[in-house]
Amino acid sequence: KQEVTQIPAALSVPEGENLVLNCSFTDSAIYNLQWFRQDPGKGLTSLLLIQSSQREQTSGRLNASLDKSSGRSTLYIAASQPGDSATYLCAGGAYNAGNMLTFGGGTRLMVKP
Amino acid sequence: DGGITQSPKYLFRKEGQNVTLSCEQNLNHDAMYWYRQDPGQGLRLIYYSQIVNDFQKGDIAEGYSVSREKKESFPLTVTSAQKNPTAFYLCASSIGRGTAYGYTFGSGTRLTVV
Repeated sequence: KQEVTQIPAALSVPEGENLVLNCSFTDSAIYNLQWFRQDPGKGLTSLLLIQSSQREQTSGRLNASLDKSSGRSTLYIAASQPGDSATYLCAGGAYNAGNMLTFGGGTRLMVKP
Repeated sequence: DGGITQSPKYLFRKEGQNVTLSCEQNLNHDAMYWYRQDPGQGLRLIYYSQIVNDFQKGDIAEGYSVSREKKESFPLTVTSAQKNPTAFYLCASSIGRGTAYGYTFGSGTRLTVV
């Protein structure tokens, strides 16, 4: 069964800093890897989706990478802003589970002005 | 605009009462999912449906029931058998099984037992 882990659970950085959020998964036969953002009391907003044939995806200041051999994905946020403060969740889908995503516990990010 | 609508945003349940959470999507997605989120925890799958008139139990289905009579709708009933129902409930959809297009989520329903 796919297990997804996110470390650290919480992170506080000053505004302007570049940062990396980590996501690890146990089943390298991953179908896709999706990064989400969740604001307090809100639903999940999809940020980036990396399919198994891809190594990275970029959207604005966000870049996500996928390394299936090592079981890792990273979300890089450039020039962080206070508006980036939220919880970031990664989720992986495994081939042996169709399109079922397994979620990590999330990293709670605080960007201080 | 296409999306997923969950209602109500807040719901209060008395002990022993059944309540139903609504989830409607106009994305023409085949698959729909219900997740539960507790404070400081990740998402846990309650039920999912890959096609109309068919649904499967997830990891924590006890005390919950669903139906999928229409492609657009996947309501979740929290029954009195669910002993700790206070949580944030999220509905999601995807194009279908075996695709790599990811999930789209609704804005959630917060259920509180009073």
